[in-house]
Amino acid sequence: GAVVSQHPSWVICKSGTSVKIECRSLDFQATTMFWYRQFPKQSLMLMATSNEGSKATYEQGVEKDKFLINHASLTLSTLTVTSAHPEDSSFYICSAPSGVGNQPQHFGDGTRLSIL
Amino acid sequence: RKEVEQDPGPFNVPEGATVAFNCTYSNSASQSFFWYRQDCRKEPKLLMSVYSSGNEDGRFTAQLNRASQYISLLIRDSKLSDSATYLCVVRTGAAGNKLTFGGGTRVLVKP
Repeated sequence: GAVVSQHPSWVICKSGTSVKIECRSLDFQATTMFWYRQFPKQSLMLMATSNEGSKATYEQGVEKDKFLINHASLTLSTLTVTSAHPEDSSFYICSAPSGVGNQPQHFGDGTRLSIL
Repeated sequence: RKEVEQDPGPFNVPEGATVAFNCTYSNSASQSFFWYRQDCRKEPKLLMSVYSSGNEDGRFTAQLNRASQYISLLIRDSKLSDSATYLCVVRTGAAGNKLTFGGGTRVLVKP
């Protein structure tokens, strides 16, 4: 069964709306979670590392004021896309380290965001 | 230069045939290597880890060449269900948790 739950799986919103995506670790604690973005026909790009109880670490070129990350508990990280625009439409995926060497990360099912 | 590079394909493969493709990585300090499979509009799923001595999992064989900084994946007796995008993934970073994904190699197995 799934070990990382991501919600919602699909969002369609008007431009200017803020969208919150949740990523939960099930039955295990995750002090670190990762947020990726994938545009069509491209690979996953790491956006930021979410750290429980402290600020997220953003990759170069990712606007921290645009993509707000909150890791308030050991099982929940949220990504909020603020004032989303059509260019933010993408597939967003979260993951959490598995703690097992040969299974590096557990991935959520992903959230397909479409901004009209 | 991208950190992890793959031939995007597509590789059109007759059912039952063998297909192989490589991935190169630029960071010599990379620690671990993996092949993931991603179906359209789905999250990536771990296919197999890649070990220095090479390893096999059923019809899938992975090889690692640290000197030349590439890894490979070979699929034997291809099935229609093998059609997917195969992502080469490299783990680096101080904490050992940062994953870098290649652009993916698309494989289409046809009857």
